[in-house]
Amino acid sequence: GNSVTQMEGPVTLSEEAFLTINCTYTATGYPSLFWYVQYPGEGLQLLLKATKADDKGSNKGFEATYRKETTSFHLEKGSVQVSDSAVYFCALSRGNEKLTFGTGTRLTIIP
Amino acid sequence: SAVISQKPSRDICQRGTSLTIQCQVDSQVTMMFWYRQQPGQSLTLIATANQGSEATYESGFVIDKFPISRPNLTFSTLTVSNMSPEDSSIYLCSVDSFNYGYTFGSGTRLTVV
Repeated sequence: GNSVTQMEGPVTLSEEAFLTINCTYTATGYPSLFWYVQYPGEGLQLLLKATKADDKGSNKGFEATYRKETTSFHLEKGSVQVSDSAVYFCALSRGNEKLTFGTGTRLTIIP
Repeated sequence: SAVISQKPSRDICQRGTSLTIQCQVDSQVTMMFWYRQQPGQSLTLIATANQGSEATYESGFVIDKFPISRPNLTFSTLTVSNMSPEDSSIYLCSVDSFNYGYTFGSGTRLTVV
């Protein structure tokens, strides 16, 4: 079946540091890949997505590239801000099938 | 993308009672999904609700405990029945917004005392 393995947290960084959160997946065929963000006390928001190999999703300074050869979709940001503190979920889906989530990574940015 | 209105946003309930959570979508969607997020955990799919048919439940979830209604293409409810403290979680509904990805409601934070 489908699965998502996500970098364990929590992750604590200083403001303006470089961020990488690793995500690898197992799935047959060509799933769509997503990063969702959950700010404290809120629901999930779609951060970015990619639907085919070599696609790069980007939003709010975050980027992730769909790497078929390494089955990865790592999240990166060049300079994080305190407002980026949240829980980040990597997820995949195939067609109309349900979303499969990773365990989530809690990110805390300190000024 | 679709916009989902979910309510209540939070509630504190006595054990043994039931709570019904509502999700209203601003457009017609075929499938709606209900998730549970236990404290500090990832999301687990409870069931998929199609209009006009019974919901499809994931392993470990049963209709008697989590009855779902889907009366039309823009609305669904999830009831958490005979609650115990172990049901304390965030419950979220979700829809597949064509070409955008899955959109989530803001969640219902349930505490059972």
